[in-house]
This record gives sequence, C-alpha cells and structure tokens, in this order.
Amino acid sequence: DADVTQTPRNRITKTGKRIMLECSQTKGHDRMYWYRQDPGLGLRLIYYSFDVKDINKGEISDGYSVSRQAQAKFSLSLESAIPNQTALYFCATSDSRASVLQFFGPGTRLTVL
Amino acid sequence: AQTVTQSQPEMSVQEAETVTLSCTYDTSESDYYLFWYKQPPSRQMILVIRQEAYKQQNATENRFSVNFQKAAKSFSLKISDSQLGDAAMYFCAYRDRSNTGKLIFGQGTTLQVKP
Repeated sequence: DADVTQTPRNRITKTGKRIMLECSQTKGHDRMYWYRQDPGLGLRLIYYSFDVKDINKGEISDGYSVSRQAQAKFSLSLESAIPNQTALYFCATSDSRASVLQFFGPGTRLTVL
Repeated sequence: AQTVTQSQPEMSVQEAETVTLSCTYDTSESDYYLFWYKQPPSRQMILVIRQEAYKQQNATENRFSVNFQKAAKSFSLKISDSQLGDAAMYFCAYRDRSNTGKLIFGQGTTLQVKP
C-alpha cells in the first residue's frame, strides 16, 4: 500500500472552477508539503504544514489555499482555477523528529482549460 | 535566498557508459543537505542519493555517486554503467538545517539512455 496517496491522479477542469486536490499519508509524519512542477522550473513550494494548527505559505501561494484536516490529511484548493495553474502537483511528508527526508506522493496532473 | 541551478536541460548517454549531471547552488549557510531525485515517466519522485555538507566524503549508492565541491557550491551526479531504466528526469535539491525542512529544487535534467 502506498504511504502517501493523492487524489485525483489526473484532472481536467475549466477556468473559474473550484478544484480540491487531496493528500493522505499513513506514515505518521507531522509535516506535509504541497509543491507544483512546471517544465523548466522544477518543483516549487506552495504551502507547508507542521501540524494541524500550523500552516505556512511557500514561495508561490497566490491563488491557492490549503486545509490540514487531520495529521494525515492535507488538501490543496484552487478557488478559481486559471490556465497557468496547469501543472503537476506533488504532496510530500516528513518526520521532523526522525529524518531530513521527504516522501512524495504519486502526483496529480491538473489541466485547466 | 538559496537557489539551485541545473544548466543541462537534456543529456544523453550510451547504455553501459558513464554520464555526469551538473548542479550548482547558492547559499550563505555552512551546513545543509543536498539531494538528487529521479523522476521516471511514472512521475514518482525517487530519492537517488543524499549528501550532508559537513561530510567531506562524497556519497555513493551503487552505480550512483556524487562529486561534492563545497567551496565551488557544486554537486554533480555520476551514473556509471548506465542502464535503460536510468532514463528519467533528474532533480537536484537543497535543504538547509532550519526548522522548515523546505526543499529547493533545480530545473531538472532529462537523461536519455541509448541502447
């Protein structure tokens, strides 16, 4: 079973629609991250969370919001999707007490028409 | 702010040969971590190798090794005896020792392995 799961894996939507991408983990990690990947830009951090009550903006948070519903769940929302939010989105987790490593989910391919 | 640069958008190598992927970074910190991730067509991000800046010895994982030049802020990945399964996009990433744990990624290098 996958330790970090993302739903949906692929999504096509239209400009102006509200979209939620979900991330769940069974690793028991306290930290969760959302990144987006664009060709030629690598991965960039959107938001990160240290626990349910601690949410922080990353370098490209405009146009996005997040919710940490539980330690195991971290959702990313696009309130009104626009075409330049077309990208590959990754969720990642880490354990602040144990390791510097981040563990990535399988990614969500989002296309905004 | 820290930055990571991969100046080779694409590289190719013949099967069984050796290839080196380049990465440079900029930081004012003295202690940090560096990583190479592999992203095959499946999109999964796979950790290839890690290096801790305070360790002078270059990290090695089977056919993968790094050349870590701290003063030059260079962190290249060498793949020996290249295999078809090594074809992927490779990302270099930096993490400082702050509490945030954020990773800063380079732009990526697509590696093609020719049979």
